[in-house]
Amino acid sequence: SAVISQKPSRDICQRGTSLTIQCQVDSQVTMMFWYRQQPGQSLTLIATANQGSEATYESGFVIDKFPISRPNLTFSTLTVSNMSPEDSSIYLCSVVGREFDEQYFGPGTRLTVT
Amino acid sequence: GQNIDQPTEMTATEGAIVQINCTYQTSGFNGLFWYQQHAGEAPTFLSYNVLDGLEEKGRFSSFLSRSKGYSYLLLKELQMKDSASYLCAVMDSNYQLIWGAGTKLIIKP
Repeated sequence: SAVISQKPSRDICQRGTSLTIQCQVDSQVTMMFWYRQQPGQSLTLIATANQGSEATYESGFVIDKFPISRPNLTFSTLTVSNMSPEDSSIYLCSVVGREFDEQYFGPGTRLTVT
Repeated sequence: GQNIDQPTEMTATEGAIVQINCTYQTSGFNGLFWYQQHAGEAPTFLSYNVLDGLEEKGRFSSFLSRSKGYSYLLLKELQMKDSASYLCAVMDSNYQLIWGAGTKLIIKP
């Protein structure tokens, strides 16, 4: 299994500012994902963070709004840029096991935009 | 399109058995996952099925029928702490997870 930590665990931010969320894994992993989960809803994949190349974004998510870095196989960051109240959500980092038979989630970052 | 269906909410009694169903239509199939998510917490991995049949892990079992696009999660000897949302997710041909909306399970004493 993989142990994943995220920073910050929660934040309250003002409209128009940006927040960078960090994700650290205790082992090297190939695939890292960033999800968003709004209250009472299921998970929505934002992007796949690729080591050494640009992230792959899902429909409805763009790099200018959600820039992602993946400098190595154990670390990634997601920035939520020019925030609005609609960005208030839980942001989750996730990794897939080597055999693709397990997926682990970080504890999440609870973001509130005022 | 890709679609995962599961009931929105279920209620069961402590000590009983409950079965949460999940049906799916996806572009390719590389396995089906079940997760448990308590309110305010991240999802926790429960099970993975890629072949037809039943996988048992203690009080929890998961079943898959690929020909029917169907899975269920069976929870036995229910405990109050099992009150949570249960998420079904299918890994498609691109190894991306397609998520169901989750089933909120309410356990009553």
